[in-house]
Amino acid sequence: DAGITQSPRHKVTETGTPVTLRCHQTENHRYMYWYRQDPGHGLRLIHYSYGVKDTDKGEVSDGYSVSRSKTEDFLLTLESATSSQTSVYFCATKTGLAGGTGETQYFGPGTRLLVL
Amino acid sequence: KNEVEQSPQNLTAQEGEFITINCSYSVGISALHWLQQHPGGGIVSLFMLSSGKKKHGRLIATINIQEKHSSLHITASHPRDSAVYICAVSSSNYQLIWGAGTKLIIKP
Repeated sequence: DAGITQSPRHKVTETGTPVTLRCHQTENHRYMYWYRQDPGHGLRLIHYSYGVKDTDKGEVSDGYSVSRSKTEDFLLTLESATSSQTSVYFCATKTGLAGGTGETQYFGPGTRLLVL
Repeated sequence: KNEVEQSPQNLTAQEGEFITINCSYSVGISALHWLQQHPGGGIVSLFMLSSGKKKHGRLIATINIQEKHSSLHITASHPRDSAVYICAVSSSNYQLIWGAGTKLIIKP
């Protein structure tokens, strides 16, 4: 499995505070993703990155921003956390190389965020 | 209507039973993925396929491109197979379209 870590693993915060989640990979994968997972919804894409400083929005990007200043790290920031952002957040990566397992996504362990 | 539909949503079976989980999609795809999410939350890719069939241990995944349908089979099911099984399709180079998952419980 790809070496993907997320930090923090658990966080409790208050409404209105900024929160930053970090995804770190050691596999030199080009693509990185942030998802949220909520009961009844499955995984929903928040933002993704297709290279250093190259990012784009997913289907549920409102209230979130991302940054990728180097290959290894993809940061997700909740500018002003709301209770609706209470969720489990997963980071994923893939190589994107043609053929073989280039399209397989490898997931981090997840971050449980509770916004009170 | 969701672009990726899984059935059933929930499945409970006895140990040893043959399990089938279905996935139908409505978009053009380059590949279909099956993933497993354990009760502890970790997500693991099981298969990626664009045609035919793949087998890994007791797991078999098939896809019919013409019918836009895939199945995941588990033979000789075991309680440790209890998990959520997720189908997702690659329709672009960047993103996956996700099914809602099938929660499988195997009772001893």
